[in-house]
Amino acid sequence: ILNVEQSPQSLHVQEGDSTNFTCSFPSSNFYALHWYRWETAKSPEALFVMTLNGDEKKKGRISATLNTKEGYSYLYIKGSQPEDSATYLCALYNQGGKLIFGQGTELSVKP
Amino acid sequence: SAVISQKPSRDICQRGTSLTIQCQVDSQVTMMFWYRQQPGQSLTLIATANQGSEATYESGFVIDKFPISRPNLTFSTLTVSNMSPEDSSIYLCSVVGTGEGNQPQHFGDGTRLSIL
Repeated sequence: ILNVEQSPQSLHVQEGDSTNFTCSFPSSNFYALHWYRWETAKSPEALFVMTLNGDEKKKGRISATLNTKEGYSYLYIKGSQPEDSATYLCALYNQGGKLIFGQGTELSVKP
Repeated sequence: SAVISQKPSRDICQRGTSLTIQCQVDSQVTMMFWYRQQPGQSLTLIATANQGSEATYESGFVIDKFPISRPNLTFSTLTVSNMSPEDSSIYLCSVVGTGEGNQPQHFGDGTRLSIL
């Protein structure tokens, strides 16, 4: 059974703070790692799909890194804004062709 | 990216009844999936909806409880049968074009289901 772990479970920051969270996964038979942002009452939105060890991807103030050898990915948000408040999900794509999701990190940004 | 319309967006149902959730996509897609997120849990795959054949269910999910239809490449339904309070969840459909792991999945807005 594949386990995808995310930490912390929840995070409260002030507007302007930079923050990061972690996604850990089994390093064997790695294929791809997905990050999604899920705002309340909306659909999960894809942020990044990462496939190569050492990958770094950026979208505005959000960036992510990937280490497939040790089995972790970091998501960074620079200068958090209230509109960044959401649950951030990572998901491991396995060779069976399915996404295995972590429990998510719930981010709350206070103005 | 695909535009996905999922309905109903929410419902409150009585124990023992069934509810069918619809997922309509604005373009033909190869893969369609149904997920569930129970309170405090991770998003969990229920099944892969296969066009023209029976869905492929994940461990712990069975066709009698979650019958799925996929009559064509743009539409699927999930029925939650004989509901109990444990079925109170958010149900999501998602699609991906080619089925490859380097393509993101696109999700509907979800159906928030509460069973009394």
